[in-house]
This record gives sequence, C-alpha cells and structure tokens, in this order.
Amino acid sequence: DGGITQSPKYLFRKEGQNVTLSCEQNLNHDAMYWYRQDPGQGLRLIYYSQIVNDFQKGDIAEGYSVSREKKESFPLTVTSAQKNPTAFYLCASSEETVIDQPQHFGDGTRLSIL
Amino acid sequence: GDSVTQMEGPVTLSEEAFLTINCTYTATGYPSLFWYVQYPGEGLQLLLKATKADDKGSNKGFEATYRKETTSFHLEKGSVQVSDSAVYFCGLVSGYSTLTFGKGTMLLVSP
Repeated sequence: DGGITQSPKYLFRKEGQNVTLSCEQNLNHDAMYWYRQDPGQGLRLIYYSQIVNDFQKGDIAEGYSVSREKKESFPLTVTSAQKNPTAFYLCASSEETVIDQPQHFGDGTRLSIL
Repeated sequence: GDSVTQMEGPVTLSEEAFLTINCTYTATGYPSLFWYVQYPGEGLQLLLKATKADDKGSNKGFEATYRKETTSFHLEKGSVQVSDSAVYFCGLVSGYSTLTFGKGTMLLVSP
C-alpha cells in the first residue's frame, strides 16, 4: 500500500542536541511538507518542498532545517537553536501544490526533551 | 493573509445526535476547502473537500457545503457514533499557497 512513513514514533532529545525525523513516501508525490502540532494551536507549517533539491520556509522555520535530495524523502532536523521543540511533528505529501490537491499525512513523531 | 476559524471544543454529544462543527474562512480569490479528521495518536486523514462555491463535499455520512456568501464550510453529520470521536480540522488552499488549517475541534461521543 502507498503511504507516508514517519520514524521514529517517539523521540527524545537532550538539551543542545540535534535530532533528525525521517519521512518517506511511496506515493510518487512531488510536494512534501512538515508541520508542528501543539495542543490548542492546530498545525503550523515548518517547511515545504515542491520539487527535489528545492524547499521553502513555512511560518515557523527558525530552529529547523530540511533537505530534499530524493523525491521520496524529506527529513527534518530539529536543531539546538529550537528552544521549545517538544511537540507532535507531522509529515505530509501531495501530488503537487495546486489548489484542489489534498495532502496525505503520516502518523507523526512525538518529540520530547529529556 | 488567509485564515480559518473553527468553533472551540470539545464538542460533547451522545450517540445518534446531530453534529455541526462551524468553520468560517478569510481568503483571497477562490479557495478550495477541506475537512480533515485526526484520530488519537495518528496523522490527519482527508474527510471531504469542495473546490467551488455551492459544492457539497460528503464522506462517511459527513457533509459540508461551500458557502461563498457567508464564507463558511460547516461540517455536519445526522447521527454520530462513538467511533467518530476525534479532532476535526477545517482547512483551505488559496491560489498557489500552502494549506491553512484552523485550530481543530475535538469531538467526544458517548454511548
């Protein structure tokens, strides 16, 4: 079955440490997205990529970095510059960024600080 | 900029009750509108969508009608089940922008 796989499901970070969240899709989608979800705040866009080797900042990109070296992969690194990283992170993809294309979501990674 | 406003939850209902979750939006141009559902511990799933005014999206007994005159896309279901308990997100895409979500509304259905 086609879909989006996020790993790990749970991740713990020590202070001052960078961590990378994995997102892989086998839907052959061009566009991929990373969202952060906090209680009561809905989803906020961190980064998105419309094509391989290209990506754009979303609303809350500070303290995060991404790469898009392959169409099927869009890893997110939470750097030590992100002072409040505890959240639920969701990866999504869509066929392309046009107005009526729905996004498909992975099951998320929950990041906590030790 | 674009924005989506949803009614605050939780919405608490008994099984077989009628559900309405309000959603209004502000957008430039003619956005496409979506409802997504998130079950506990999972990602979001597309529930339904509408791409132009007066369109009605429907799925699994849920419906929403794109009302341009009131800039609304309210979600309704005639008879909810315990298994409908989840968080519901209204969203829009306008032009070539990315998806803008509301803050989500939690629905709790009791037997």
